[in-house]
Amino acid sequence: AQRVTQPEKLLSVFKGAPVELKCNYSYSGSPELFWYVQYSRQRLQLLLRHISRESIKGFTADLNKGETSFHLKKPFAQEEDSAMYYCALRGQSGYSTLTFGKGTMLLVSP
Amino acid sequence: GAGVSQSPSNKVTEKGKDVELRCDPISGHTALYWYRQSLGQGLEFLIYFQGNSAPDKSGLPSDRFSAERTGGSVSTLTIQRTQQEDSAVYLCASSLVLAGGSDTQYFGPGTRLTVL
Repeated sequence: AQRVTQPEKLLSVFKGAPVELKCNYSYSGSPELFWYVQYSRQRLQLLLRHISRESIKGFTADLNKGETSFHLKKPFAQEEDSAMYYCALRGQSGYSTLTFGKGTMLLVSP
Repeated sequence: GAGVSQSPSNKVTEKGKDVELRCDPISGHTALYWYRQSLGQGLEFLIYFQGNSAPDKSGLPSDRFSAERTGGSVSTLTIQRTQQEDSAVYLCASSLVLAGGSDTQYFGPGTRLTVL
């Protein structure tokens, strides 16, 4: 069975502080990992995926297979980063359904 | 182009009534997904349609839930005899699944269902 755990329901930081949103997964094979974000009153959208190895809006995430983690990081948080963040996993090759974590609300205060 | 659309945006119903939620995927997307978003529970997979294949219904929580996808496009999620625990935001997503490749799921705005 595949599972995604986001241990923090809420993460509150001040503007300019570093941010790390934790994500751990359970899957026996080689998964694809994603971070989705939902800003207030907007639809859920893809933030980044591990296979792209990209930085979006200053966020990065590295897949650590040894620790089965895919933590989302940003060195300097901005107020506009305040949103709900979901980590997601796609396991079986060719099978598109995503397994989501329960999400972490990030609040960035001025 | 237009993204995934869902209707209605809000639905309030009485316990025991049936409801239908509609999803219009992005044109040309072969895959369509339904998820349920509950407070504190994250996103829960419900059902997945891919082309002409039999749908994956493994996430449907009970036999009161069913979904159809007509003509490979529009999908309707039906909840019969609604219960208060069915109250949630129901999200639809679509993607263009490429053979051997990764695909991005694009989400609709959701339908907020409230069962009184």
